[in-house]
Amino acid sequence: EDKVVQSPLSLVVHEGDTVTLNCSYEVTNFRSLLWYKQEKKAPTFLFMLTSSGIEKKSGRLSSILDKKELFSILNITATQTGDSAVYLCAYDMRFGAGTRLTVKP
Amino acid sequence: DSGVTQTPKHLITATGQRVTLRCSPRSGDLSVYWYQQSLDQGLQFLIQYYNGEERAKGNILERFSAQQFPDLHSELNLSSLELGDSALYFCASSARSAGANVLTFGAGSRLTVL
Repeated sequence: EDKVVQSPLSLVVHEGDTVTLNCSYEVTNFRSLLWYKQEKKAPTFLFMLTSSGIEKKSGRLSSILDKKELFSILNITATQTGDSAVYLCAYDMRFGAGTRLTVKP
Repeated sequence: DSGVTQTPKHLITATGQRVTLRCSPRSGDLSVYWYQQSLDQGLQFLIQYYNGEERAKGNILERFSAQQFPDLHSELNLSSLELGDSALYFCASSARSAGANVLTFGAGSRLTVL
């Protein structure tokens, strides 16, 4: 069965720090890997990665996929308290357990 | 507003009862997915429908069933409810059945079983 594993499960940082969230996957037929952000409501889409080594960026957030090593990372630079959320990695319809990020002032 | 509509937003019921959760997908989306999220737990995939047909099944209990109607709305039926079924149930929709497929989530239905 396809599997998505995220680490760490929880992370506490201070405003201004840079964080790296990890997602490793074991899937039979890779198509795409997606990142979502979940605050106190429904998950919202951040990035979709379909090709190896392609970096996607949106402001302070960026993500890269390594198809050879079967992992993806999500980077957040200059973190703000508003970045506090659970970050979810997904393959097809299956989600990892998520990384709960807390950014302290 | 994501365009995915779920009703009801909140539901309180007793053990042993049966409830139905409803989802209208975003306009143009053919796939509907159901997820269960218990307190501080991850998103557990339950089931997917694509254009009226069941496409994929996850960790859905036998007490639970779902269907997608010709107008593409979907219903999740939960029966013989137990305390452990208390959770937030999300519906999501997408244009495709698989592949490079972004899911758009509804606001969720919070079920409390007393």
